[in-house]
Amino acid sequence: EDKVVQSPLSLVVHEGDTVTLNCSYEVTNFRSLLWYKQEKKAPTFLFMLTSSGIEKKSGRLSSILDKKELFSILNITATQTGDSAIYLCAVGKFSGAGSYQLTFGKGTKLSVIP
Amino acid sequence: DARVTQTPRHKVTEMGQEVTMRCQPILGHNTVFWYRQTMMQGLELLAYFRNRAPLDDSGMPKDRFSAEMPDATLATLKIQPSEPRDSAVYFCASGFTTGSSGNTIYFGEGSWLTVV
Repeated sequence: EDKVVQSPLSLVVHEGDTVTLNCSYEVTNFRSLLWYKQEKKAPTFLFMLTSSGIEKKSGRLSSILDKKELFSILNITATQTGDSAIYLCAVGKFSGAGSYQLTFGKGTKLSVIP
Repeated sequence: DARVTQTPRHKVTEMGQEVTMRCQPILGHNTVFWYRQTMMQGLELLAYFRNRAPLDDSGMPKDRFSAEMPDATLATLKIQPSEPRDSAVYFCASGFTTGSSGNTIYFGEGSWLTVV
């Protein structure tokens, strides 16, 4: 059975801290790993990773994938209160009939306090 | 600004009533997903379609749930009869996928369902 496990489940930090969120997976026919940020509404897309060792960066956020060890990390530097959200990791895989689907982890709830 | 549109945004209904949720995927996307999100289970895949054909609905309780895609601009998720345990946020998401590549999936804002 496919598994996507995120840790920690929740985290409270002070503004300015750096955080690292973890995502490990066991998925057959792996295609991609995606990170989403969910505030009060829909998950919004952050990154998609398909190759090991190549860092994706957007402002204070960065992410990297290790396909050998089957995990990814999401780093946020100089955190701000606006970073408070649930961060979801999803793994995209190919299943039967050439179909592609995402399996989500349960998320890491990040709270950034002033 | 292309987006996935879902209706209704919120619904409160009595147990036993039929609920229909609708989704308009992003124009040009060929794959549509229905997810349910609860605190306990996180995001669970209920069903998905590619080029309007249902590919997998194994995550959906078949006795009361049904999903259809009558045309490329409309996907529906129906619950009949609804039960309190169906209370959750139901997300529709769409993307463009082929037999050899998969891309980013974009989410609608969700239909927040409460069954009392």
